[in-house]
Amino acid sequence: DTAVSQTPKYLVTQMGNDKSIKCEQNLGHDTMYWYKQDSKKFLKIMFSYNNKELIINETVPNRFSPKSPDKAHLNLHINSLELGDSAVYFCASTTPGHEQFFGPGTRLTVL
Amino acid sequence: QKEVEQNSGPLSVPEGAIASLNCTYSDRGSQSFFWYRQYSGKSPELIMSIYSNGDKEDGRFTAQLNKASQYVSLLIRDSQPSDSATYLCAVHSGGGADGLTFGKGTHLIIQP
Repeated sequence: DTAVSQTPKYLVTQMGNDKSIKCEQNLGHDTMYWYKQDSKKFLKIMFSYNNKELIINETVPNRFSPKSPDKAHLNLHINSLELGDSAVYFCASTTPGHEQFFGPGTRLTVL
Repeated sequence: QKEVEQNSGPLSVPEGAIASLNCTYSDRGSQSFFWYRQYSGKSPELIMSIYSNGDKEDGRFTAQLNKASQYVSLLIRDSQPSDSATYLCAVHSGGGADGLTFGKGTHLIIQP
């Protein structure tokens, strides 16, 4: 019974394309996040959503747009993909004590 | 700017010994501290959380927090080859919905 799930696991696409990554959590948490882990394995927050409301946006290009249809889902849409967007993207949800649980990740490769 | 510093390693420890991982953070207002383990190609997995000064033990793992020194550590007793992974220190500060600030991780190798 997966707590935080993401699809797809792998995404290979051409520069300039638009793509989406989906995330779902069944933990009943109110807040979800998107993180980016670059080639040097540095994990950095991109967005958080609390009860369908965007709370923070850490200087991420506006080509990235999070969308949350309900509190169990937080999708990430990326427009006009660039080479530098290649990374692993992790979705996470959090307890009230800020313990975050991560999805399996989506490895995005932009050619 | 909030920063979390870790020695990137690799830290090599013989099997059965104690592995000691360290982390410092810059935001004195930080309240919640976490250790994650990440195997290659996998997602970060929460192994310890600590919120108050002192030690917190869970099985072979002990987290230590010293807010005055802005220092967090993780001890792994009786290290096993399966403990070989990257260990990420993470800190929460600021508002309730703010994300975690992660260190760059320490690569731990347990030598059989």
